Amino acid sequence: AQSVTQLDSQVPVFEEAPVELRCNYSSSVSVYLFWYVQYPNQGLQLLLKYLSGSTLVKGINGFEAEFNKSQTSFHLRKPSVHISDTAEYFCAVTPGNTGNQFYFGTGTSLTVIP
Amino acid sequence: DTAVSQTPKYLVTQMGNDKSIKCEQNLGHDTMYWYKQDSKKFLKIMFSYNNKELIINETVPNRFSPKSPDKAHLNLHINSLELGDSAVYFCASRLDPSTGELFFGEGSRLTVL
Repeated sequence: AQSVTQLDSQVPVFEEAPVELRCNYSSSVSVYLFWYVQYPNQGLQLLLKYLSGSTLVKGINGFEAEFNKSQTSFHLRKPSVHISDTAEYFCAVTPGNTGNQFYFGTGTSLTVIP
Repeated sequence: DTAVSQTPKYLVTQMGNDKSIKCEQNLGHDTMYWYKQDSKKFLKIMFSYNNKELIINETVPNRFSPKSPDKAHLNLHINSLELGDSAVYFCASRLDPSTGELFFGEGSRLTVL
């Protein structure tokens, strides 16, 4: 079975400061990894994904994430946050060898302080 | 043109009633999902279909019944609504059931009084 852990439920950060949102996963098989963002009263939007290849993945809105297989992590980073980045962020994993399963972490609420 | 659309967006109803939420995707995807998001934002997978065939049926009360008339539609019917059913329900679709990302609808907020 697969699981996703987001260690921080809430992350406050000042505007223009860097941020890292942590995500760890557990799986007995190879997985594909995703980060989604949810703005208030909206659906989820894909930020970035890792399927294979370079372990550093760049996404929309200046976000990037690094896949670390030895540490089973996929942390999300942004060098300088804006007020508009205030939202809920979800890490997700799907196992590559079985269909349809798509697991989400419990989410991290990012609040950017002016 | 909305890729994944859900109706209604808001639903307020009394305990014991029956209600349905409809979902349609125009992306040509074969795979569709229903997720429930509770008040703590936790996303729980409920059902998933591949080309009208039920693939995932998580531990969900049998008051919840999905129906996929064709691969572009996945509806959710809920019987005998309870207070605990209050949540936001998200429909999603996916091109590749093994590697692809999910495309989400805007959500349907259900409030049971």
